[in-house]
Amino acid sequence: KAGVTQTPRYLIKTRGQQVTLSCSPISGHRSVSWYQQTPGQGLQFLFEYFSETQRNKGNFPGRFSGRQFSNSRSEMNVSTLELGDSALYLCASSHRGAGGYEQYFGPGTRLTVT
Amino acid sequence: DAKTTQPPSMDCAEGRAANLPCNHSTISGNEYVYWYRQIHSQGPQYIIHGLKNNETNEMASLIITEDRKSSTLILPHATLRDTAVYYCIVRGPESTGNQFYFGTGTSLTVIP
Repeated sequence: KAGVTQTPRYLIKTRGQQVTLSCSPISGHRSVSWYQQTPGQGLQFLFEYFSETQRNKGNFPGRFSGRQFSNSRSEMNVSTLELGDSALYLCASSHRGAGGYEQYFGPGTRLTVT
Repeated sequence: DAKTTQPPSMDCAEGRAANLPCNHSTISGNEYVYWYRQIHSQGPQYIIHGLKNNETNEMASLIITEDRKSSTLILPHATLRDTAVYYCIVRGPESTGNQFYFGTGTSLTVIP
């Protein structure tokens, strides 16, 4: 099976702009989660989508939003970019199952805000 | 929020077993212990997970204490490619949501 793919891999934006990142989960996986990783804050959970519905949300401002399509592909959007939004954005997918199960992470999108 | 405590760094000689400890004293009965690793700026890689019993797969072994308040990840024969940050994560079953709360992890350096 192909792994989780994220596009683009690298992105440079200017303060005040908005950005959309894309994630394609592993085939058959219906859950997609997004994480932000920065040197200062580490890996932080943004939100999770399952069957096109946001199921969980981390402690991020409303500038961060996302959605999931019927094919489970997901996008996240950051509006009014700030310098502090510079980070590695990671997407992870998993399939629903009983008990514990693992999430598979993509390679990430490196966003630089100038 | 992270519910685990790990040493910030460890060294291990190549070819020797690497034993990475994790404390999770507030773990609940239905929470699992997961281990992931991240090699410099790549996406985290799943290693292993367990609930109560010890687990082993092709990558590692997971030893969970009887009271479940701590666990140890064992890489039986460490190689240079095992140099990475290792995260121990505690999370509930799927019904409670898929979010992982990562702590600061342990930076493992395998020395030639």
